[in-house]
Amino acid sequence: GENVEQHPSTLSVQEGDSAVIKCTYSDSASNYFPWYKQELGKGPQLIIDIRSNVGEKKDQRIAVTLNKTAKHFSLHITETQPEDSAVYFCAASDTDKLIFGTGTRLQVFP
Amino acid sequence: GAVVSQHPSWVICKSGTSVKIECRSLDFQATTMFWYRQFPKQSLMLMATSNEGSKATYEQGVEKDKFLINHASLTLSTLTVTSAHPEDSSFYICSATTARLQAGDEQFFGPGTRLTVL
Repeated sequence: GENVEQHPSTLSVQEGDSAVIKCTYSDSASNYFPWYKQELGKGPQLIIDIRSNVGEKKDQRIAVTLNKTAKHFSLHITETQPEDSAVYFCAASDTDKLIFGTGTRLQVFP
Repeated sequence: GAVVSQHPSWVICKSGTSVKIECRSLDFQATTMFWYRQFPKQSLMLMATSNEGSKATYEQGVEKDKFLINHASLTLSTLTVTSAHPEDSSFYICSATTARLQAGDEQFFGPGTRLTVL
């Protein structure tokens, strides 16, 4: 089955800097890669996703890149703000279910 | 659009009792719903997948007789934790999709239910 690894587990940046979170997956059949933001005590919220027929996708300050050959995908947040502080999860879709990464706790210091 | 609610948001119960958690899709019909469990500072672990009108499919290691799932309508799925014990204390999260799931269908997540078993 699918296995998703996520790094780093924690990430601290200064407000205005960029943050990058990386994930690798094992199942070459996976073709949907969403990223979720989870605030304390709340459910995950989809922030961006990418499908395997696309190499890069951008939405304002957030972008995701996908390298199918290497089986890894990354989340890029530019011009970080304190409200970006949260736990971020990547996931990969393996047939009929999402497999989540282990999460990255992002702290943005003002 | 695509809002999923859960009730209750938190619950405290005594060991040995049963607790029911509801998951509702408010503005769409959810043919497939998922139940996840999340322990503190850990990732989401899929417990089971349920399709409306059929039996749930449980992940390996999840006891189907302990975690009863009912997906009786296109807008409601329930998870009942039977004979709860302290080790069942966790954050339970549901999600829903709008179509028979294929790889790449977006899942819409509920806000979660914090269960504490004393």
